Amino acid sequence: QKEVEQDPGPLSVPEGAIVSLNCTYSNSAFQYFMWYRQYSRKGPELLMYTYSSGNKEDGRFTAQVDKSSKYISLFIRDSQPSDSATYLCAMTRISSGSARQLTFGSGTQLTVLP
Amino acid sequence: DGGITQSPKYLFRKEGQNVTLSCEQNLNHDAMYWYRQDPGQGLRLIYYSQIVNDFQKGDIAEGYSVSREKKESFPLTVTSAQKNPTAFYLCASSPQQGASTDTQYFGPGTRLTVL
Repeated sequence: QKEVEQDPGPLSVPEGAIVSLNCTYSNSAFQYFMWYRQYSRKGPELLMYTYSSGNKEDGRFTAQVDKSSKYISLFIRDSQPSDSATYLCAMTRISSGSARQLTFGSGTQLTVLP
Repeated sequence: DGGITQSPKYLFRKEGQNVTLSCEQNLNHDAMYWYRQDPGQGLRLIYYSQIVNDFQKGDIAEGYSVSREKKESFPLTVTSAQKNPTAFYLCASSPQQGASTDTQYFGPGTRLTVL
């Protein structure tokens, strides 16, 4: 069983829809959570970063963490065709100040149709 | 213009050859990483380095080698011992101090194809 599970999709939604992307994890040592967006043939770019249970909002994006259920989500409001990309969740253990090893989900491919 | 650069963008290798992928950053980050991405498998860590002249194996280091002679540079060599090297290779870096130590910033990637 993988430490981080993510539905690969593909997921297609109409423009303006609310998108929900999810990851589950099995290791309770994970404390820091990130969402990356990756356009085709490009490197991932950091979208959201959070370390506490609850919601964190940034524009049209909301990251949600439920540590008791080991479940994280990314919501995209008013989705746009430019949001079409692969979304990767990533997480890491409590830091000791040294280089962090991120554990990634396999990514969900999202297409927003105009 | 700060960031991470990787070269070349596309690389073709014949069986039995070693090839070196370049990664340079001007973000003054201490830590650097190499990942491999295959379809449907997410990113897997090959090697990482916290400081110059020091590096650690990741989950899939076999068939790869790295060096860290300068803070800005972390080249990856894919050796002939790597049995299935065709993949998308991503370099990343992160600061060691401050609130953003957990976040890694990625380069544009190198797509390696074995002929």
